[in-house]
Amino acid sequence: GQQLNQSPQSMFIQEGEDVSMNCTSSSIFNTWLWYKQEPGEGPVLLIALYKAGELTSNGRLTAQFGITRKDSFLNISASIPSDVGIYFCAGRNTGNQFYFGTGTSLTVIP
Amino acid sequence: GAVVSQHPSRVICKSGTSVKIECRSLDFQATTMFWYRQFPKQSLMLMATSNEGSKATYEQGVEKDKFLINHASLTLSTLTVTSAHPEDSSFYICSAVHPSNYGYTFGSGTRLTVV
Repeated sequence: GQQLNQSPQSMFIQEGEDVSMNCTSSSIFNTWLWYKQEPGEGPVLLIALYKAGELTSNGRLTAQFGITRKDSFLNISASIPSDVGIYFCAGRNTGNQFYFGTGTSLTVIP
Repeated sequence: GAVVSQHPSRVICKSGTSVKIECRSLDFQATTMFWYRQFPKQSLMLMATSNEGSKATYEQGVEKDKFLINHASLTLSTLTVTSAHPEDSSFYICSAVHPSNYGYTFGSGTRLTVV
């Protein structure tokens, strides 16, 4: 099935730095979701976005639903070692089909 | 909150045997569940959509006779890997759609190793 374009593919950052990643689609989405997956576990929902332009925070995480409805962004401020994992975006289009991003692997160096 | 339980978390089986993986929505009813397969350091690949009371819809390239899906109740979907071979070794994850907000909640995954 289709996958969303997610970038960057991987990031290696120092503890305390901010992180930004994004997800783009060629078609319009009604819902954007951001998940975090740790090794050997299933993805866990971080933030859900339902409206174009919506900006939602969850602690140090902030995500935005792009105004064009074809992209979304996730920012993590003041990263800590436990932020390590793979972050996936996901989107649901107007046909109620659900697609995953390719993932961003985050490594935080203490 | 929505909780999806997946069992077992790990299974090792001999080549040629069958393995059943269960996915349960614990606090909500899910008419639709999804089964994914994930290889190391890769994203989740949708295998099939499980619909309560009807046949599953398989993605292109997924053998429906090998990966049997049964969604007999609103809280349980099962994936049976039949005649497993080493190349079937992978991480399998299910997810369920919550009816109130269409949010997707994932199970914790099953690590299948076929020896």
